[in-house]
Amino acid sequence: QTVVTQEPSVTVSPGGTVTLTCASSTGAVTSNYYANWFQQKHGQGPRALIYSTSNKHPWTPARFSGSLLGGKAALTLSGVQPDDEADYHCLLSCSGSWVFGGGTKLTVL
Amino acid sequence: QVQLVQSGAEVKNPGASVKVSCKASGYTFTGYGIHWVRQAPGQGLEYMGWFTAGNDGTKYSQDFQGRLVFTRDTSATTVYMELSSLTSEDTAVYYCARQTPTLGHLDYWGQGTPVTVSS
Repeated sequence: QTVVTQEPSVTVSPGGTVTLTCASSTGAVTSNYYANWFQQKHGQGPRALIYSTSNKHPWTPARFSGSLLGGKAALTLSGVQPDDEADYHCLLSCSGSWVFGGGTKLTVL
Repeated sequence: QVQLVQSGAEVKNPGASVKVSCKASGYTFTGYGIHWVRQAPGQGLEYMGWFTAGNDGTKYSQDFQGRLVFTRDTSATTVYMELSSLTSEDTAVYYCARQTPTLGHLDYWGQGTPVTVSS
């Protein structure tokens, strides 16, 4: 079974830029993995941010962007705000099913 | 507006089954799919499977094969997730999420249903 790996925790300063990544144990992540990114704040359910690698939802703040970077799916936050402190989960389409990464806890400090 | 409203919290004994509902509104029910995801306490998200409301197509994660079933009531615009042979490891919050007709596009989520398995 495919294993999807994310950084367990990342710390960023307010106003800074940070990139979170999502890797697949089967090899390089491509657009065919249809990477989705979700934000989950403490005590809340997930909220969709990015779908199909780089597409934003109508409610996705402009400072969030998705891409492919070095064989991984990536989520970049530019101009980080304190409100961005949350867990970020990636989801990849793998062999006809879907697999979540373990999630990245983003701390804004 | 699009909404997915899930049923309330459940407490079950080990070995029992649980059925969680996800009522959709604000869009054409049969034109979209529903994914099911769960999150154990303090853990990440775990993918369970998806259901296509238009044609009853299903795909279950291998981790749940044999004890997970998705069904629908089109007139009630509701999808159901039933998990059987529960153990304490099934204690989690269960979520439904909408899949649009665009491949790879998950958007709206339900509020989550806590399920506790305990004797």
